[in-house]
Amino acid sequence: EVQLVESGGGLVQPGGSLRLSCAASGFTFNNYEMNWVRQAPGKGLEWVSYISSSGSTIYYADSVKGRFTISRDNAKNSLYLQMNSLKAEDTAVYYCARDQYYGSGNFNCWGQGTLVTVSS
Amino acid sequence: EIVLTQSPATLSLSPGEGATLSCRASQSISSYLAWYQQKPGQAPRLLIYDASNRATGIPVRFSGSGSGTDFTLTISSLEPEDFAVYYCQQRSNWPRTFGQGTKVEIK
Repeated sequence: EVQLVESGGGLVQPGGSLRLSCAASGFTFNNYEMNWVRQAPGKGLEWVSYISSSGSTIYYADSVKGRFTISRDNAKNSLYLQMNSLKAEDTAVYYCARDQYYGSGNFNCWGQGTLVTVSS
Repeated sequence: EIVLTQSPATLSLSPGEGATLSCRASQSISSYLAWYQQKPGQAPRLLIYDASNRATGIPVRFSGSGSGTDFTLTISSLEPEDFAVYYCQQRSNWPRTFGQGTKVEIK
């Protein structure tokens, strides 16, 4: 069974840092491009970041560029999001999402999400 | 950045009725549009990709159409489990962007 499981969310003060992880199983992780997508409470979906299967190509939303860093460890079947200089507006459920196939840009597998709350 | 505008914001319908949801892009995105369904407390689920292709396991009552800037998701006859929020998403350009969502609620 294809599965993505996020962890690492929690309460952090403005200006603080947090590292999210996403553990993948049930598929050949190093064949797939991965993304982070977030959803603020009661709001819509916002794409955050993308990383290619090898990790050589990375994109970010302007709202997180310079503060967040996406990475992956294919040996550990894991995806990460290092979040620095956190702001209140970063409060959201963060989902890791797998591309449907190489270059698809559609997300056909999602984790259950991990909640990040930025508050003093 | 490509802006996707969904309409209406809310659709109030009864089970068995048909639903038509719209998504308009701020510039042409060819057929690079997907639709997702999200229920409360759950992750989104891919329904339609590349404007008109049903994802694996999606019932035939869901269909998508359109190209360029105007797209439609049609649910032919609403089942109780179809009441949810629906989002469109484009993969034509970076950054990937989503519409603001259409809530299909029980009338």
